This record gives sequence, structure tokens and C-alpha cells, in this order.
Amino acid sequence: NAGVMQNPRHLVRRRGQEARLRCSPMKGHSHVYWYRQLPEEGLKFMVYLQKENIIDESGMPKERFSAEFPKEGPSILRIQQVVRGDSAAYFCASSPLAVRQETQYFGPGTRLLVL
Amino acid sequence: GDSVTQMEGPVTLSEEAFLTINCTYTATGYPSLFWYVQYPGEGLQLLLKATKADDKGSNKGFEATYRKETTSFHLEKGSVQVSDSAVYFCALEIQGAQKLVFGQGTRLTINP
Repeated sequence: NAGVMQNPRHLVRRRGQEARLRCSPMKGHSHVYWYRQLPEEGLKFMVYLQKENIIDESGMPKERFSAEFPKEGPSILRIQQVVRGDSAAYFCASSPLAVRQETQYFGPGTRLLVL
Repeated sequence: GDSVTQMEGPVTLSEEAFLTINCTYTATGYPSLFWYVQYPGEGLQLLLKATKADDKGSNKGFEATYRKETTSFHLEKGSVQVSDSAVYFCALEIQGAQKLVFGQGTRLTINP
């Protein structure tokens, strides 16, 4: 059973460009979470999605950031008009059920560098 | 709000030394508690977890006990190895929500 997959693993963008990060959850998992890790810091929750629904986006910046998890295909985190402060590692996690205590399994992350 | 505070790093030990990484939390209700480990260039892997007071999580020689009275979840290992070198994150799951709150991480280096 393949783990959580993220691509690309590394992404370089110039200021003002768009960044598109993809996450394929583990097989059988229908809940996806995105976290951001700034250098030398812990992970910060951004958004929680189920298929075709955003459940909790309380950690997502109000502008330039959006996320989706379509019925078919991976979850996408989209950052428009990137700025240098968006440089970070973005991790996706998935879980099979939305119940307390269910473990979240993390992908390897996408490291975004904005020049 | 809910938060996690970890012992500041970096921590450097010799092989076979005893390890403790402190973690305390602030939360309303009764969160689940986790330790995750991150090896260089990789994502986070769940190391152990505890879901209620006095539970002990254990894995690969690591242990942590959920202490409600001191709001702590300290990570311990009796004899560390070079391969344990990594960054360790303490986290809690907010009760009623499906999101994790992480501490800032503790970088551990084990020298042979």
C-alpha cells in the first residue's frame, strides 16, 4: 500500500508566479490535511478537506491560497502570486476516517522556494 | 488557544546515552497526544501516541506517558543510537477537530 504521495518534491518559483502542489492520499483515505513548515519551525495547520468539500480552512491565508480535493484525482494546494515569505515545506497528510484519535499519515512534502 | 511547548534544541548526546525531550501542552478538553519524527529531507512519521490520561505510548524503544496533572508528554529512550538522529515533534489533536497542533521541534544528534 503506497504511502501519501506529494509532487513535486521541490519547486522553484519567481515572485508573482503560481505554485501548484499536489497530494495523493493513501489508498482508502478520504480525508486530507495540508500543513506548512517554515524554516526551523513546527508544522502549522492550513486546511482540512474531504472529497469535494473544504471542512476547515481556519489556518489558510485569506488571499492567494486555495485548496481543493476533487472527486477524482489528487488534492491541490494552489498559491497565486507567490512572495518570498511563501518559501516553506508544505506537507500533506491523510486519514481514513474523521474520528478522533485516527492517525494522520504524512507525505514527504513539497519544498517551495520563491526567488 | 491550544498549544504545545517543546524543549529547545539542538540536543547532542553520545550513543547509548539516556534521552529525555520535554513536551508540555495547553488545551481545553482532552486532546490526544503524539510524537512524530522527521529524518532529513523526509516527511513526518508517527513515532507513538496516547489518547487518554495515564496512557503510555511506546515504539522502537521510545516511550511517553500522558500526564494530565502536569499537562506533559515527555519523550524518553533508555539508550539512543546514531540512527535516532532526527527532529522530533510533539503534537496534540484538538478535541472535536481533525487537526494537529505541533511544537517547534527538537533537533537530536547522536554521536558515535
